[in-house]
Amino acid sequence: DIQMTQSPASLSASLEEIVTITCQASQDIGNWLSWYQQKPGKSPQLLIYGATSLADGVPSRFSGSRSGTQYSLKISRLQVEDIGIYYCLQAYSAPLTFGSGTKLEIK
Amino acid sequence: EVQLVESGGGLVQPGRSMKLSCAASGFTFSNYGMAWVRQAPTKGLEWVATISYDGSSTYYRDSVKGRFTISRDNAKSTLYLQMNSLRSEDTATYYCTRDWYTTDYYYFDYWGQGVMVTVSS
Repeated sequence: DIQMTQSPASLSASLEEIVTITCQASQDIGNWLSWYQQKPGKSPQLLIYGATSLADGVPSRFSGSRSGTQYSLKISRLQVEDIGIYYCLQAYSAPLTFGSGTKLEIK
Repeated sequence: EVQLVESGGGLVQPGRSMKLSCAASGFTFSNYGMAWVRQAPTKGLEWVATISYDGSSTYYRDSVKGRFTISRDNAKSTLYLQMNSLRSEDTATYYCTRDWYTTDYYYFDYWGQGVMVTVSS
């Protein structure tokens, strides 16, 4: 199984700050990587697909990047509504595997 | 508007069965693959199973293989998850998801609100 090592586990940042979350894949997964945001008490929502493509309706302050087998989600100017838990997902091969999640809070 | 509405959850004893349903609307159900993703209380997300748009292909995580069956009725725009021989570790919120699959991408673009399944005596 492909392991997705996500970091940090939790993060506290100030409004307007730049936030970066990373996922390290245990092997090459190409661009078969997506990011999801789960707000408190809600279902997850798609943010990024294909490692770098922004999903419809997602604010442009969110962006995704890739460097080899390391994938990053960046929030350029943190807003209050961005609090929640963020997950990466690899869909290169079954079983599909999620990262362990990053809990984002406002400082 | 795409809507996915799960139903059928609740409390069930270990070893018993339960069937979840997901009613889809707002899109042509028969054109899309679908999946179930679960989340144990206070835990992260875990992919459970996927079914192709026409039901001809199914995929499962090892821990549910042989116990769970994903299926669909395209005439009713409904996705199912039959869960047999339930274990305490199957306790979770189960999400129905629509998947988007191309030669370059695979991801879950819409999620239902989730249905809770509690396996306990």
